[in-house]
Amino acid sequence: TQLLEQSPQFLSIQEGENLTVYCNSSSVFSSLQWYRQEPGEGPVLLVTVVTGGEVKKLKRLTFQFGDARKDSSLHITAAQTGDTGLYLCAGGRGGQNFVFGPGTRLSVLP
Amino acid sequence: DTAVSQTPKYLVTQMGNDKSIKCEQNLGHDTMYWYKQDSKKFLKIMFSYNNKELIINETVPNRFSPKSPDKAHLNLHINSLELGDSAVYFCASSPGSGQPQHFGDGTRLSIL
Repeated sequence: TQLLEQSPQFLSIQEGENLTVYCNSSSVFSSLQWYRQEPGEGPVLLVTVVTGGEVKKLKRLTFQFGDARKDSSLHITAAQTGDTGLYLCAGGRGGQNFVFGPGTRLSVLP
Repeated sequence: DTAVSQTPKYLVTQMGNDKSIKCEQNLGHDTMYWYKQDSKKFLKIMFSYNNKELIINETVPNRFSPKSPDKAHLNLHINSLELGDSAVYFCASSPGSGQPQHFGDGTRLSIL
């Protein structure tokens, strides 16, 4: 049983469209991170959210941590081909190491 | 300046051999990790070291032995390689346990 679920597993959209990907768990996390991984490279941290209900914006990316700190979403506005990659969420529980979700593979087509 | 560097980037070897992967970080972080990413891209933690001390050892065969000579280095030695060991192995570091991680670019291990 996976501690973190991500949906959708795969997403293919046209450049300029908006999208939302989700990270869900039945467990409470003290913090949650989003990473993006491109082919042939390691994951790169995008954001950390720590407070229930918190919303963080990174240019066209908006991250939200659920009120109960069990889920999170990542919304991308006007997607670009450079947004293509594997999006991973990782949940932490206060001092313990993070558990990674299985990822959402995003393809943005020109 | 590469923050977390792993060598080699590619490793192709035969079943039964012993091999090592090296990792170094120049970020001054206290915690280092080894992850295995399988063909379905699922990233699973193997080991975590904090200031050269082992703090996490997930269910990993004892053919895998990490070594941390100092807090900037965490190497991974694998004995008697098996076909199922084929994967990408990532090293990562963080300021402390449970904090945001910086990843290396991975070592692609292929067992023939």
